[in-house]
Amino acid sequence: QKEVEQNSGPLSVPEGAIASLNCTYSDRGSQSFFWYRQYSGKSPELIMSIYSNGDKEDGRFTAQLNKASQYVSLLIRDSQPSDSATYLCAVNGGKLIFGQGTELSVKP
Amino acid sequence: EPEVTQTPSHQVTQMGQEVILRCVPISNHLYFYWYRQILGQKVEFLVSFYNNEISEKSEIFDDQFSVERPDGSNFTLKIRSTKLEDSAMYFCASSPGQGLYGYTFGSGTRLTVV
Repeated sequence: QKEVEQNSGPLSVPEGAIASLNCTYSDRGSQSFFWYRQYSGKSPELIMSIYSNGDKEDGRFTAQLNKASQYVSLLIRDSQPSDSATYLCAVNGGKLIFGQGTELSVKP
Repeated sequence: EPEVTQTPSHQVTQMGQEVILRCVPISNHLYFYWYRQILGQKVEFLVSFYNNEISEKSEIFDDQFSVERPDGSNFTLKIRSTKLEDSAMYFCASSPGQGLYGYTFGSGTRLTVV
């Protein structure tokens, strides 16, 4: 059974701080890794993808991948209250498998 | 920006009734998916569909479920005889290819079985 694990949180950070979200996965054959953002009652929205070891930056978001440790993370710099949502880690080893999500709360 | 469109947004049905959830994937995408999310739980894979046939299905996707692409644009999920535990948010998704592509999700259909 392929698993994707995340801390469910909630993770609470003050506005302007860095939020760090983590994810581990079980399938070593996984090829691609994604972070989705899901607001309450809404659908998942793709915010980052990463395929190679190392860091990938897009605006305030940085995704980090370490395939040897089977670990993916997402950093959100200068966190804003509008970033408050559940962040879903998803791993593609043939189909997207989601973690249970980490709830992020950014306090003004 | 291209969207995946789902209808209806909310459906209430009696236990034992059949429901059909509808989706219009992004037009140049080739792979289509259904996921569900029970309230407070993770997003779970149901089925993937490519080249007019099911390419993979999960244990959840039993004989009560079926999918169809009746024409060049629509993609449907049918639940033949709904149970209370089928109450969930159902998301359709599509992608242009496999493996390296993220999926674009529709806004979902909230199914309530009473």
